[in-house]
Amino acid sequence: KQEVTQIPAALSVPEGENLVLNCSFTDSAIYNLQWFRQDPGKGLTSLLLIQSSQREQTSGRLNASLDKSSGRSTLYIAASQPGDSATYLCAPDNYGQNFVFGPGTRLSVLP
Amino acid sequence: NAGVTQTPKFQVLKTGQSMTLQCAQDMNHEYMSWYRQDPGMGLRLIHYSVGAGITDQGEVPNGYNVSRSTTEDFPLRLLSAAPSQTSVYFCASSSGDRAPNEQFFGPGTRLTVL
Repeated sequence: KQEVTQIPAALSVPEGENLVLNCSFTDSAIYNLQWFRQDPGKGLTSLLLIQSSQREQTSGRLNASLDKSSGRSTLYIAASQPGDSATYLCAPDNYGQNFVFGPGTRLSVLP
Repeated sequence: NAGVTQTPKFQVLKTGQSMTLQCAQDMNHEYMSWYRQDPGMGLRLIHYSVGAGITDQGEVPNGYNVSRSTTEDFPLRLLSAAPSQTSVYFCASSSGDRAPNEQFFGPGTRLTVL
């Protein structure tokens, strides 16, 4: 059974800092891995999807990397802004069987 | 494209009542799923469907029923609501076997069972 952990559970940083969120998973036989953002009281917004054949994906100030063999993914946020404050969730996909979600990292970016 | 839509946004039920949470997607996705999100528990899969006419149980299926008569719709039925079913419910869809299988979520339904 796939198990997903995310470190840190919570993070508070001043505006402008670069930061890294970590995601670990136990079953490396994944199809892809998706990063989501969730604002309080809202749904999940897809940020990046990395396919198993890829090592990383970039979207604006976000960069996600994937190391299947070690069961790890990282989300790098450059030049953080207060608008980045949210909970970030990672979800590996075991060959379309279903996504398994991590508990999330709650990020606060202070102005 | 509307994406994934859910109705209602909010609902209050009394213990023992039944109701149906609606979910629809207009992306011709094969895979659809229902999750519940509770504080400290994260997102947990209730039921999922890999195509019209095919459904299966997820991690927490008890007390819920689903059917998939069309590609677009995937309703979730609460048979006899219990306070333990107070939660936020999310519907999601993805293309399934067709890469990249990106998952899209609806805005959620906040359910309170008294």
